[in-house]
This record gives sequence, C-alpha cells and structure tokens, in this order.
Amino acid sequence: QVQLTESGPGLVHPSETLSLTCTVSGFSLTGYSVYWVRQPSGKGLEWMGRMRYNGDTSYNSALKSRLSISRDTSKNQVFLKMNSLQTDDTGTYYCTRARTGGFAYWGQGTLVTVSS
Amino acid sequence: DIRMTQSPASLSASLGETVNIECLASEDIYSDLAWYQQKPGKSPQLLIYNANSLQNGVPSRFSGSGSGTQYSLKINSLQSEDVATYFCQQYNNYLWTFGGGTKLELK
Repeated sequence: QVQLTESGPGLVHPSETLSLTCTVSGFSLTGYSVYWVRQPSGKGLEWMGRMRYNGDTSYNSALKSRLSISRDTSKNQVFLKMNSLQTDDTGTYYCTRARTGGFAYWGQGTLVTVSS
Repeated sequence: DIRMTQSPASLSASLGETVNIECLASEDIYSDLAWYQQKPGKSPQLLIYNANSLQNGVPSRFSGSGSGTQYSLKINSLQSEDVATYFCQQYNNYLWTFGGGTKLELK
C-alpha cells in the first residue's frame, strides 16, 4: 500500500538550513508527484512545493527563494531543503501524494523546531 | 496566487445537527477543490475531491457542492467523531492553496 514517511533533524538553529527526507513505498516516484505541505503549530496548512513525476519542480512563490526539492528515484526518496530558517518556520512538515484529486496519502509528519 | 477564504473560522454545533462550511476562491477554480478533516496530532485526511466526489471510506453524511468560486462542505447528522478542523484546498492552477480552516466543536 502507499506509504510516505518524513524524517529530519527535529531541531534547527535560526539562519541554518533544514533538510528533510520523504521515503515512499507502494508507488514509483516516476509515476506520481510528491508534494510538501507544512503547518505551523496550531495554524493552517501551507503548500510548499512539488516534485513532479518527470523530475520537474514547482514552488510556493512565498518560499521559492529559500526552497529546493530534489529526489533519488533509486532510493524512493524526495528531499526538501530550505535555508535561512527563522522561528516562524517552526511546525510540522508533511509529504503527500495526490490520487484523482486532492492529497489522498499523507505521511505522519515531522515536527521541526527552529530555536537557538 | 489563488486565495481561498474559508468561513466560519470556528463553529459550535450539537450532535445530530447539520453543519455547513464555506470556501470562496479568489477566481474560478472549475471545481478543482478538495476538503480535508484534521484531528489533533494527526495528518489531514481527504474527505471530498473535485468539489463533490466522496473519497473512499468517508461516511456518506459528508458531502460537497459548489462551482466557480463558491464551494461548501456539508455534514449531516453531526457525530462526536466529526469534531476536528476542516480545510478546503484548490488545485486548479498547479499552485495549491488551502483555506484557513474551520474548527468544529460540539455545543
């Protein structure tokens, strides 16, 4: 079955770079796009970016200057890197996959805290 | 970017009541709209896609409607397990955006 699992450092210091990994199973990264969504604690959802099935990427314009998404298809992994982190980047980061419309499959999320 | 304005921000309703949540898009999204339910500490779960299609396994008391820029989620006969936060999301222009969320509580 389709599974997505996020992993990452948990704690990042201000101004540093966040690196997260989404490991997928049950589907191929060359057949489906994977998306990153984040949620500041107690707040709403924000789409961050997409790794398309063909390797193309697209980004939220508000984050584009700080964000990079890449993948390793041989390892079934999608990577997120975001630089210049600040305290308002604290929250839960999810990777997700669409089905016929909307995001039908979600990882459990990984909590990232930006603090010195 | 398309903006999604969701209302109300919070809602209190009684068991068995019918609840409506609205979502207004800043431009026509041609029914490319999804609704999600999120319970505390959990990942969002897809309820409705393409504005009115029920995701597999979702109870039939949930329904979606709308077109153009105006959409709504209806919950019939509210159950205790429906207490959650609900989000709308548009996916029309490949720059996905979410509504601000509606927190549903029991009265």
